[in-house]
Amino acid sequence: EAGVAQSPRYKIIEKRQSVAFWCNPISGHATLYWYQQILGQGPKLLIQFQNNGVVDDSQLPKDRFSAERLKGVDSTLKIQPAKLEDSAVYLCASSLGAQLEKLFFGSGTQLSVL
Amino acid sequence: RKEVEQDPGPFNVPEGATVAFNCTYSNSASQSFFWYRQDCRKEPKLLMSVYSSGNEDGRFTAQLNRASQYISLLIRDSKLSDSATYLCVVTLTSGTYKYIFGTGTRLKVLA
Repeated sequence: EAGVAQSPRYKIIEKRQSVAFWCNPISGHATLYWYQQILGQGPKLLIQFQNNGVVDDSQLPKDRFSAERLKGVDSTLKIQPAKLEDSAVYLCASSLGAQLEKLFFGSGTQLSVL
Repeated sequence: RKEVEQDPGPFNVPEGATVAFNCTYSNSASQSFFWYRQDCRKEPKLLMSVYSSGNEDGRFTAQLNRASQYISLLIRDSKLSDSATYLCVVTLTSGTYKYIFGTGTRLKVLA
């Protein structure tokens, strides 16, 4: 079974530039999550989709971050403009959507903002 | 107070040792509990779920104490390959179903 696919694996940009990350969840998984993991910390939820609808974006810095999940499959997370403190690993995860379901993570995108 | 708290470590233990990690959570309405393992520069992967009655998977034992709001993970006969960060995860249903991660506890098993 194919896992959660993410790209790019690494990205280096300068502050105030824009960047976009892509995620393809496991086929059939209704729920998709974007997490931010800063070095030395646990993953922090940025946004959660159920099919193509947003169910939780309370911790998404909406002045600079945006995300979409067109057709309820692939998702894109964008940062514009980036700040130094956005340097982190951005993890995409998916689950079937029911309670107690295991989360499957992609390998993440490591972002460095210089 | 953080929703999920863990001692960040690192815990440095010799091979063969027994090591235990604790995790406390602040919301008494938390429903489900998990331990995830994260290797350096890798994504988190589910290690085990935690049930009220306690559960065991080989050398790993997880326990839940709802009254005191803490979860524990015990690793017996530590192997070098157990070196990783162990993330405590708690779920909440408050309109949506949320997974909340702790900071993680780093374990180093030494030869």
